[in-house]
Amino acid sequence: DTGVSQNPRHKITKRGQNVTFRCDPISEHNRLYWYRQTLGQGPEFLTYFQNEAQLEKSRLLSDRFSAERPKGSFSTLEIQRTEQGDSAMYLCASSFSDRGDTQYFGPGTRLTVL
Amino acid sequence: SQKIEQNSEALNIQEGKTATLTCNYTNYSPAYLQWYRQDPGRGPVFLLLIRENEKEKRKERLKVTFDTTLKQSLFHITASQPADSATYLCALDSGSSNTGKLIFGQGTTLQVKP
Repeated sequence: DTGVSQNPRHKITKRGQNVTFRCDPISEHNRLYWYRQTLGQGPEFLTYFQNEAQLEKSRLLSDRFSAERPKGSFSTLEIQRTEQGDSAMYLCASSFSDRGDTQYFGPGTRLTVL
Repeated sequence: SQKIEQNSEALNIQEGKTATLTCNYTNYSPAYLQWYRQDPGRGPVFLLLIRENEKEKRKERLKVTFDTTLKQSLFHITASQPADSATYLCALDSGSSNTGKLIFGQGTTLQVKP
């Protein structure tokens, strides 16, 4: 297995546009997490899935953000009507809930909103 | 509110010395604490996990301690090398039952000089 992958790695968009990011977790992992990280800060939790069910969403996740994991495998994070404050690194992580609590992170998607 | 603090200033040490990084937390009773390494432009990489009933854990040149009375974890890298230069993040479970959701500190940047 090659680990967690995320696409695209970089995204530059204009304010008001919609963007979608994809995360492919480690194949046997049933949990998938999304985090957001800004410069000089640690990752902040956004949401997580167990299989296809979205079990928790942070208050950071406004109505413009939506995440899906339709078949319990890959996940997408969509941001509608992007704002400059959405500029950040978006990180995906996966874990296997029955084997402890280690999360394996992808390389992230760097979003820049102009 | 729940809070995690790491040394905000960068830590500069000479190659071969021991680096010690601190993670303090308040208003938490975490079941476990994790340390991650993050290189610029990349996702965090898991290093060590220590549970609340463990005082100390080692892995090669790494050692982590966990004092639930002081609400503090110390992360040591012995015989440091320039390749150890990176940002180190501590993360605690949120305290919610088995979500795996992590709360991160802001990270400490370590620079090891040859």
